[in-house]
Amino acid sequence: EIVLTQSPATLSVSPGERVTLSCRASQSISTNLAWYQQKPGQAPRVLIYGAYTRATGIPARFSASGSGTEFTLTISGLQSEDFAVYYCQQYNNWPPITFGQGTRLEIK
Amino acid sequence: QVRLVQSGAELKKPGASVKLSCKASGYTFTSNGLHWLRQAPGHWPEWMGWISPGNGKTEYSEKFQDKVTITSDTSANIGYMEVSRLRSEDTAVYYCARGVGPTRALIWFDSWGQGALVTVSS
Repeated sequence: EIVLTQSPATLSVSPGERVTLSCRASQSISTNLAWYQQKPGQAPRVLIYGAYTRATGIPARFSASGSGTEFTLTISGLQSEDFAVYYCQQYNNWPPITFGQGTRLEIK
Repeated sequence: QVRLVQSGAELKKPGASVKLSCKASGYTFTSNGLHWLRQAPGHWPEWMGWISPGNGKTEYSEKFQDKVTITSDTSANIGYMEVSRLRSEDTAVYYCARGVGPTRALIWFDSWGQGALVTVSS
């Protein structure tokens, strides 16, 4: 089973700032990684797939990069609606499909 | 647009079973895999298994192999997941999600149901 480790667990930032979230895989997953945003009481929403491709309707302030075992999600110019929990998910080697433990983005 | 509508919240006693449903609309039901995940309070999503409605093939996480049965009714565009021998640790929000991707093996989830809270308590 591929383990995804996200860091940091929590990030306190101010609106307008730029943040970078990390996701590390326990073995190479090529670029078979997706990022999701989840707000309280809602299902996760896909932001990125294929490690760096924005999903339909996702604003350009969300960008991502990485391959192999190291991945990042960057949000530029944080807006109030971006404060949420972010998860990475690998689909290179499954079953099982696995998720990281998440990074909570909170308002400073 | 793609829509997945799940059945409602359930309260079950330990040892019981629960069968959840997920009605799909807005796309050809047999063209995409339907996956089931759960999320315990304060936890990350956990993938449980999936079904290919087109041919009925299923695959489960080893963790849930003997606990979960996933089926579908292609005439009604509904997916089902039955979870048996419920324990308090099974208390979670259960989601169905549509798998999309360039191949059957490379998939992420572009549409999710609203979730169904299953509470297991005596």
